[in-house]
Amino acid sequence: AQTVTQSQPEMSVQEAETVTLSCTYDTSESNYYLFWYKQPPSRQMILVIRQEAYKQQNATENRFSVNFQKAAKSFSLKISDSQLGDTAMYFCAFTPPRNSGGSNYKLTFGKGTLLTVNP
Amino acid sequence: DTEVTQTPKHLVMGMTNKKSLKCEQHMGHRAMYWYKQKAKKPPELMFVYSYEKLSINESVPSRFSPECPNSSLLNLHLHALQPEDSALYLCASSQEEGLGGYTFGSGTRLTVV
Repeated sequence: AQTVTQSQPEMSVQEAETVTLSCTYDTSESNYYLFWYKQPPSRQMILVIRQEAYKQQNATENRFSVNFQKAAKSFSLKISDSQLGDTAMYFCAFTPPRNSGGSNYKLTFGKGTLLTVNP
Repeated sequence: DTEVTQTPKHLVMGMTNKKSLKCEQHMGHRAMYWYKQKAKKPPELMFVYSYEKLSINESVPSRFSPECPNSSLLNLHLHALQPEDSALYLCASSQEEGLGGYTFGSGTRLTVV
């Protein structure tokens, strides 16, 4: 079974600064997908960034980047130049690839990190 | 169209009522999902439909009844709910089941009184 751990229930950062959210996971799969989702008070779950495990290069999306350490099973999210609109719950999520067999390719979420960006 | 649309946004219902939640997507995705989310918790998977057929039922009580009339539409029929069923109900879709990159809707905030 896959597990995803986010060890920081809450974090805060000053506007324009950089913050890193941590995520570790456990799996026996060699290939899989990792995601960071953002859920602001508006409730919609928004995909921030996606990483495929077989790709060595860390994914980036504008101010958002990840530090993917496959051997350590770590997948942290760095937000640069934090903005007030980044205030949200951030969920790390994992799914094995579809061809892994069975019905175990469900999206597994961590418990989330509530990020507050202060003016 | 790159959205998943959920209606209604808010719903208050009594324990004897019957109501339905609706979810629609026009991205050509062949997998659709229902999640239940309690406050400050991650979403919990309820049902998965793949090519309009029920693929996964996560042992959800029968008072929740999903339906997939076509590849763009997913319903969740509610009957005789309990107050503890009050939650945010999220719909999501993906290209195919297990193929990454889920798109979520904004959810229906359900209150059972």
